[in-house]
Formats: sequence, structure tokens, C-alpha cells
Amino acid sequence: NAGVTQTPKFQVLKTGQSMTLQCAQDMNHEYMSWYRQDPGMGLRLIHYSVGAGITDQGEVPNGYNVSRSTTEDFPLRLLSAAPSQTSVYFCASSYATIGELFFGEGSRLTVL
Amino acid sequence: KQEVTQIPAALSVPEGENLVLNCSFTDSAIYNLQWFRQDPGKGLTSLLLIQSSQREQTSGRLNASLDKSSGRSTLYIAASQPGDSATYLCVSYPQGGSEKLVFGKGTKLTVNP
Repeated sequence: NAGVTQTPKFQVLKTGQSMTLQCAQDMNHEYMSWYRQDPGMGLRLIHYSVGAGITDQGEVPNGYNVSRSTTEDFPLRLLSAAPSQTSVYFCASSYATIGELFFGEGSRLTVL
Repeated sequence: KQEVTQIPAALSVPEGENLVLNCSFTDSAIYNLQWFRQDPGKGLTSLLLIQSSQREQTSGRLNASLDKSSGRSTLYIAASQPGDSATYLCVSYPQGGSEKLVFGKGTKLTVNP
């Protein structure tokens, strides 16, 4: 009963490095999204997808890239990491755009 | 623009107390409202989802109500336990779709033994 799985759980990067945060769900959900959570800022939407092959920008998309080649996977790419991207990242999914949202455990990223 | 407010930001109660967490929103044209629990260093766990046609949902010691006309939702926790200590967040689902979900910043609950 995996639900939404995120890897890695922790990562430390140097400024300018790139990396990919992985997200996979086994619930056959069409809708997937990425959020970042920062102290005092709450959860902010980075990118989302309403189905395979379809992605769109959220509130804070700059510096991030996504793709959705399969229903199950929705990776988030940091193109050139900056200290401002130090945050906890959450992947979420739901069966429809207004369906109950399920979250992964989070990926804590530190950019030095 | 929808705004979701949770007051107070932190709450400390003795074990056994019944308590109410509040969530208010500025735009009453919402579809669903969901309550989550977040433990330190963990993800968000769904507690209750109140769908558009419903006014409340119950699960065990938890009861969530929704009053769209007043822009308010409450989460009632009966007979609180130390294991209930966590941050509780509410999120409104606007009628436009999930990309426009608006999260509250949460209420941090501490239940003291």
C-alpha cells in the first residue's frame, strides 16, 4: 500500500548543481502536483499535471522543470540550484482535479 | 483571491480536553474543504474531506463541519490525547480546479499529558 513515494528524503546540493526529485504513485491518479513548504509561507504550488503528457505552472515555477511521461511518475528537476530553493518539497496526487489529495513524505533539500 | 486563515497559530491544551480548530476562507464559492495533519518532519496525512454537498464529516474522535455562507470550517477533536499533537492544516478547493487549492498555514496543537 505505497501511495505516493518520494525520493530522496534528504539531499544537500551546492549552488549551481542540478538534481531530480522523484515522485511515484500507485493509485492510478491522473492529477499530480509538487509543492514547497517554507516556514511562515505555507505550501506553495510549483507545477502540476492533469494527466500524462500535460503539465502546467503553479505559483512558484521559476527554477524548476517537470515532465509527465507516465501516469505513475512526476519528477521535479532543479536546473541550477540556488540557496533560495532550500525547502521541503512535497509531491501530491488525486484521482481528479477536485479529488481528495494524497501527499508523499517529503524531500528535504538544502542548497549551500 | 481566496485566502485561508487558521487562528490560533498554536494551541496548547491538557489531555482529555475537547477542542475546536478554526479555518476561515474569504471566498465562499468553494467545492471541497479538506483537513490534514502534519507531524514534525513528515508529510501531510488526510483526516477528513468535506465535499460540496456535505456539511460535515466524522472519523472517530474527529468531526469537521463546513459552513460556506459564513466562510468557516471547524475541526472538533474529542477527548484529546498526547498523540494528537501535530500541526493541522485546512485547504479549500475552489470551483476552478486543484491548481487553485489554497492552504491555511496551520494550527500547531500540543496536548499535554
